[in-house]
Amino acid sequence: SQWGEENLQALSIQEGEDVTMNCSYKTYTTVVHWYRQDSGRGPALIILIRSNEREKRSGRLRATLDTSSQSSSLSITAAQCEDTAVYFCATDGAGGYKVVFGSGTRLLVSP
Amino acid sequence: GGIITQTPKFLIGQEGQKLTLKCQQNFNHDTMYWYRQDSGKGLRLIYYSITENDLQKGDLSEGYDASREKKSSFSLTVTSAQKNEMAVFLCASSPGQNTEVFFGKGTRLTVV
Repeated sequence: SQWGEENLQALSIQEGEDVTMNCSYKTYTTVVHWYRQDSGRGPALIILIRSNEREKRSGRLRATLDTSSQSSSLSITAAQCEDTAVYFCATDGAGGYKVVFGSGTRLLVSP
Repeated sequence: GGIITQTPKFLIGQEGQKLTLKCQQNFNHDTMYWYRQDSGKGLRLIYYSITENDLQKGDLSEGYDASREKKSSFSLTVTSAQKNEMAVFLCASSPGQNTEVFFGKGTRLTVV
């Protein structure tokens, strides 16, 4: 099946817990995008990590990138209920324009 | 800031019908995209356009045509609607390479 064709993974955690979502990709990419999609809306970028960066932080979010294993992760520290959303990684290939999305994780944070 | 406007928000078509979805962006972005999102699944790239006169097939282009009429607009045509392609179609744009992609709110397609 194509990357992105699979069903969303589901993760359910309690408020205050830490969570990590993983992404493995098959083709070379210059950057890995991480997007968040709220119900009824299009995805919105939360972190973009470049191939020369191993880690990038934004508030409670931390993305890592390992180009040798072609994998990236997104961690949320002390998750809040408002972090409930679907999270996707995406890559943009060698040319930098063809942005393709991974299968995604539906995260539910309960009080 | 800018906005991506997709029309219509909801589209109901007959099986076998040719249907067109429209997208306008006022970011002045060069690159535009069409994605399909089936319920409970990820996004699959149908077509993208790097600049105004460019058109590139994505991984799911069969059964679709696209047209970049001008820099600000990108249309998608479902050439013969099928019941198994009921989904949300998302239009997006980007300033260029290796940068953030901005999304519209989507067109939900129902085929009867």
